[in-house]
Amino acid sequence: NAGVMQNPRHLVRRRGQEARLRCSPMKGHSHVYWYRQLPEEGLKFMVYLQKENIIDESGMPKERFSAEFPKEGPSILRIQQVVRGDSAAYFCASSPGTDRNSPLHFGNGTRLTVT
Amino acid sequence: AQSVAQPEDQVNVAEGNPLTVKCTYSVSGNPYLFWYVQYPNRGLQFLLKYITGDNLVKGSYGFEAEFNKSQTSFHLKKPSALVSDSALYFCAVRPLNTGGFKTIFGAGTRLFVKA
Repeated sequence: NAGVMQNPRHLVRRRGQEARLRCSPMKGHSHVYWYRQLPEEGLKFMVYLQKENIIDESGMPKERFSAEFPKEGPSILRIQQVVRGDSAAYFCASSPGTDRNSPLHFGNGTRLTVT
Repeated sequence: AQSVAQPEDQVNVAEGNPLTVKCTYSVSGNPYLFWYVQYPNRGLQFLLKYITGDNLVKGSYGFEAEFNKSQTSFHLKKPSALVSDSALYFCAVRPLNTGGFKTIFGAGTRLFVKA
């Protein structure tokens, strides 16, 4: 069973460019979560999605950031017009969605560097 | 506001000695509680969880955690530390009153086990 797959592992963008981060959940998992990790700041919740629906986006910045989880294909976290402060590790996690005590399964993250 | 506190940025312990990594939380109701571990350049891995029942729960790699409802704490413990336990540890809570699966993480505690 493949785990949560994130790509790319490393992404370098210049200020003002767009960054697209992809996440394929574990097989059979219908819930996807995105977190951002900054050094010394822990893991910050961004957004929680089910197929074709955003359930909770309370941690997403209001501007430039968007997320989707289409019926077919991976979940995408999109950052428009990136700034240096967007540099961080972005982690995707998935869960089955059938049992609220199920732990999250994490991918290995995408490390975004904005130059 | 719902939050998780890990009061120690780093815990140092000698190999063979017992270790404790502290966690307290502030959420309404009785949340589900989790511990995860992160190794360098990797995603988080699930260690153990508390749902209900016995206050002492056992998990992977010899780790255990003690739930204390009156102190709203969920400290991670291991009777005898190994050098290979050196990693970043995250406590997490899943509030049950949000209706969903959102998981809130602490800032993380770096465990350093010295040979």
